Amino acid sequence: NAGVTQTPKFRILKIGQSMTLQCTQDMNHNYMYWYRQDPGMGLKLIYYSVGAGITDKGEVPNGYNVSRSTTEDFPLRLELAAPSQTSVYFCASSENRGLVTFFGQGTRLTVV
Amino acid sequence: ELKVEQNPLFLSMQEGKNYTIYCNYSTTSDRLYWYRQDPGKSLESLFVLLSNGAVKQEGRLMASLDTKARLSTLHITAAVHDLSATYFCAVSGGSNYKLTFGKGTLLTVNP
Repeated sequence: NAGVTQTPKFRILKIGQSMTLQCTQDMNHNYMYWYRQDPGMGLKLIYYSVGAGITDKGEVPNGYNVSRSTTEDFPLRLELAAPSQTSVYFCASSENRGLVTFFGQGTRLTVV
Repeated sequence: ELKVEQNPLFLSMQEGKNYTIYCNYSTTSDRLYWYRQDPGKSLESLFVLLSNGAVKQEGRLMASLDTKARLSTLHITAAVHDLSATYFCAVSGGSNYKLTFGKGTLLTVNP
């Protein structure tokens, strides 16, 4: 049971480049989330999904897009990378009662 | 807007000592979570507290919840070096289980 898997683990982007952070879970969870973690700031919600085909904005959605075509996958897209998007990104999923949220290992993104 | 405040943000302890981390939140929430994060690692779930007066313990860590005061505490008993990590509290409300996190408490346990 792999849980929540994120790829890549590390990435360096140039300003203006685009990329997709991949996230997949094998627990058949309906709820999936993307958070970013900046030093000393805790985690902030970027986007979330309550099921396939349904997504919504979180606290800090600007500069990002998501899609949820299957229950398993929840990719996060950065269209025009900016230095302010340098952060550690965590994908997470939650079972239907919300008692436990499982986090991926994170993607450390640097925009230069 | 739901806000979560933790204090202290930095905590340096000696092994064998006791201490408490506090987590205040601003609006009614139906569940409170505690997570641990080691440097460069992901978040590990420690506790979820669901009701007023809930208390959970695991080893040297004990978490409690007072929903009337909108306060949760994480008590550390007889600290050991292995407890060194960053501890986050988070709250959620509603049916989508979005988490709002505190800024975290960086705990360092010194020999």
